[in-house]
Parts: sequence; structure tokens; C-alpha cells
Amino acid sequence: ETGVTQTPRHLVMGMTNKKSLKCEQHLGHNAMYWYKQSAKKPLELMFVYNFKEQTENNSVPSRFSPECPNSSHLFLHLHTLQPEDSALYLCASSQAQDRRGPESSYNEQFFGPGTRLTVL
Amino acid sequence: GIQVEQSPPDLILQEGANSTLRCNFSDSVNNLQWFHQNPWGQLINLFYIPSGTKQNGRLSATTVATERYSLLYISSSQTTDSGVYFCAVPSMDSSYKLIFGSGTRLLVRP
Repeated sequence: ETGVTQTPRHLVMGMTNKKSLKCEQHLGHNAMYWYKQSAKKPLELMFVYNFKEQTENNSVPSRFSPECPNSSHLFLHLHTLQPEDSALYLCASSQAQDRRGPESSYNEQFFGPGTRLTVL
Repeated sequence: GIQVEQSPPDLILQEGANSTLRCNFSDSVNNLQWFHQNPWGQLINLFYIPSGTKQNGRLSATTVATERYSLLYISSSQTTDSGVYFCAVPSMDSSYKLIFGSGTRLLVRP
């Protein structure tokens, strides 16, 4: 157990469906992340929330819509997905960063178990 | 941006054997994480190691930041060590952004 939970663990959806992924962290962190892991590719950062404010959007298509209602919860709303969106979606959390760039310190990220998504 | 390369890409071991995994990075970093991804997809933190050496049971890691590499040592390997091992470093333009290597896939045979 890493202190980060995700639901559901598996999801199969059609291209016209709307679904949401949920992430919850119990570590007292203030930053939360969504990553995508496709087959044969490195993990890709999708979104970052720092103190509930979105601070990174890594050129993610609008069919993925994140929501962070508080520092402990993070959602990823999915609609009109494509088969190539099938992947493992991982949530992570960390202490928030104070500054950006090479002078800032990096805080260790902790990952949830992931949601394995299949789009038919 | 920073590049992270891991070697070897694949490794097969007999239970009880030792191994060394390597992570090279193309630019200066202020930290580095090693992860183990189990067959169910869970990423497990192994080490958070900007420099020096750390040990945790049968695993240890060494990062030589000035020479831009890190090593993960697995001793007396067990079948439960199977999975993919990733190293990751923070991006220079955003401390939030972890740049992952492509991983070393390890299979430990009984």
C-alpha cells in the first residue's frame, strides 16, 4: 500500500461513453498527478495539480478533463475516447513544490495501483 | 530536454543470482527515483536518491550525479523481484515533471 488509491482498477468503455477515474491520497500531500502508460512507451505526465490549482497540462486532448476538488482527491473525466486511449492510467501524489526550475527541490512522488482502461 | 536511458532492456535471472541495472541521464539532476512496477501495474518506490548510496534489504542504489548515472543492485534475487524497473528524474523546466526511462524488464526464474 502506497497511500494512494484508485478506482476502478479496470474499465472497459465504448467510444461514446462518459466515465470518470478517481484517485485519493492519504499522505497529506498537496500535489497530485495523472500519468498515462501505453504499451511499449514510457510513462507520460498528463496533468499536475498543486494546491488544487492545475499547474501542468501536457498537451492532453480535451476528451480528458481533470478535476481536483481538494488536495486529497483527483478525478479524470473521460468522454468520446478513441481506441488508442487504451492504457494504464496512474495517479501520483507528492508534497507540493515551492519553486520551479533547476533551483527548486524535487519531492518524491508516490503512485496508486492504476486503472487499466480499454476503449472499444 | 533531458534524456534517460536504462540498460539492459531485458534481463533473465535464475533465482538467487545478483544483478546490476543502470540508468544514464543526459543532464544534471537534483534527484532521482527508482521504481519497481509489478505485473499488476503498481509502481512501488524503491529509492529516492540524488547522490550517494542507499540500501534497503537486498536492494541498494548508487547515484553519481557528477557522472550522470545511477545503479540499482539486486542481490539474491527472488521470483517476486520480477517486473519492470524504472528510473526517473525531474525535468529541468518543471520539478513536477518526472522523466522516465524506458525500463528494464526483469524475469527471475525459480
